[in-house]
Amino acid sequence: KQEVTQIPAALSVPEGENLVLNCSFTDSAIYNLQWFRQDPGKGLTSLLLIQSSQREQTSGRLNASLDKSSGRSTLYIAASQPGDSATYLCAVIGAGSARQLTFGSGTQLTVLP
Amino acid sequence: GAVVSQHPSRVICKSGTSVKIECRSLDFQATTMFWYRQFPKQSLMLMATSNEGSKATYEQGVEKDKFLINHASLTLSTLTVTSAHPEDSSFYICSARDEGFNSPLHFGNGTRLTVT
Repeated sequence: KQEVTQIPAALSVPEGENLVLNCSFTDSAIYNLQWFRQDPGKGLTSLLLIQSSQREQTSGRLNASLDKSSGRSTLYIAASQPGDSATYLCAVIGAGSARQLTFGSGTQLTVLP
Repeated sequence: GAVVSQHPSRVICKSGTSVKIECRSLDFQATTMFWYRQFPKQSLMLMATSNEGSKATYEQGVEKDKFLINHASLTLSTLTVTSAHPEDSSFYICSARDEGFNSPLHFGNGTRLTVT
């Protein structure tokens, strides 16, 4: 059974700092990995999707990497802003026929002005 | 981009009543939609996969007679919580994918259900 872990559970940084969020998964047979942002009481906003054959994806100040063999992904946020404060979730889709989607428990990020 | 609309955003109901939550794909057709449940400070747990024109596939431990799912069209799936109890109080979120598995999932804004 796939398990997805995100470390740290919470992170507080001053504005302008670069930061890295970590996601690890136990079964490397994944189809793709997706990073999401969730604001309090809201749904999820898709940030980046990485296919299993890709190593990284970039969107603006965000860069996500994937090392499938080691079961790890990172989300790099450059020049953090208070508006980046949210919970960040990673999710993997298994490569099996069921295409099971498994979420991590998230990292709650607070960027202090 | 693809938009998923979920309604209502908040609902309070009395114990024993039923509540229906709608999930709509606004600018794309979704043959498959997913329903999740999220407890405070926890991640999303998949409840069921909703398939247009056929029965939903429920995850282990999810009561299909309590959480009724209907996916009657390519743009609408509904989740009905029947005979709600306080322990059903939670945040329910739906999602859909507008193409194959290579495309990202898009999520609704969720429904906060409170059963009194």
